[in-house]
Amino acid sequence: SYDLTQPPSVSVSPGQTASITCSGDKLGDKYVSWYQQKPGQPPVLIIYQDTKRPSGIPERFSGSNSGNTATLTISGTQALDEADYYCQAWDSSTAVFGTGAKVTVL
Amino acid sequence: QVQLVASGGGLVKPGGSLRLSCAASGFTFSDYYMSWIRQAPGKGLEWLAYISTTGNTRNYADSVKGRFLISRDNAQNSLYLQMNSLRAEDTATYYCARISGPVGATTSFDHWGQGALVTVSS
Repeated sequence: SYDLTQPPSVSVSPGQTASITCSGDKLGDKYVSWYQQKPGQPPVLIIYQDTKRPSGIPERFSGSNSGNTATLTISGTQALDEADYYCQAWDSSTAVFGTGAKVTVL
Repeated sequence: QVQLVASGGGLVKPGGSLRLSCAASGFTFSDYYMSWIRQAPGKGLEWLAYISTTGNTRNYADSVKGRFLISRDNAQNSLYLQMNSLRAEDTATYYCARISGPVGATTSFDHWGQGALVTVSS
């Protein structure tokens, strides 16, 4: 089976940049989506096809994907960005989610 | 706007069955692939199954293959998940989600319902 690994936690100061990685074998050959989940709420799509933002998602969220690692970057992090973040890719018609990363804004 | 409302969750004994429903509105339901995804308490997301627009194509995660059945009724704008032989480890919040296009490398889960809690316990 295909695995996507994320750091369990990422800490960032308000206004700084947070980078959340997602690692998988030859992940750069796949498209990666990113989801934000706040406590008690369903996930929300924030990045698709590696770099694209759905309508309504702030420009401070950006994505990249190359080699074995995809990265979600939050620029100018705000307190309201504190949440869990999951990467996701498809492998042989099976959806795979990353292990999840909790972003804490200190 | 797009709305997905899951229902049918509850408490069930190990070995029992439960059927979840997901009512869709705000988009042409029959144009979209749909999926179920679950999240155990305090844990991450686990994809379970998807179904094509017509229902002719379905795919399941190994963890539920042979026990769960995904189906849809396009006339009723509804998605279903029949869960049989339930185990304690199936305890989770179950989300229905719309897939942005035919399943493939470029697609994402672009809208999610609020979730239905299923608890498997004696």
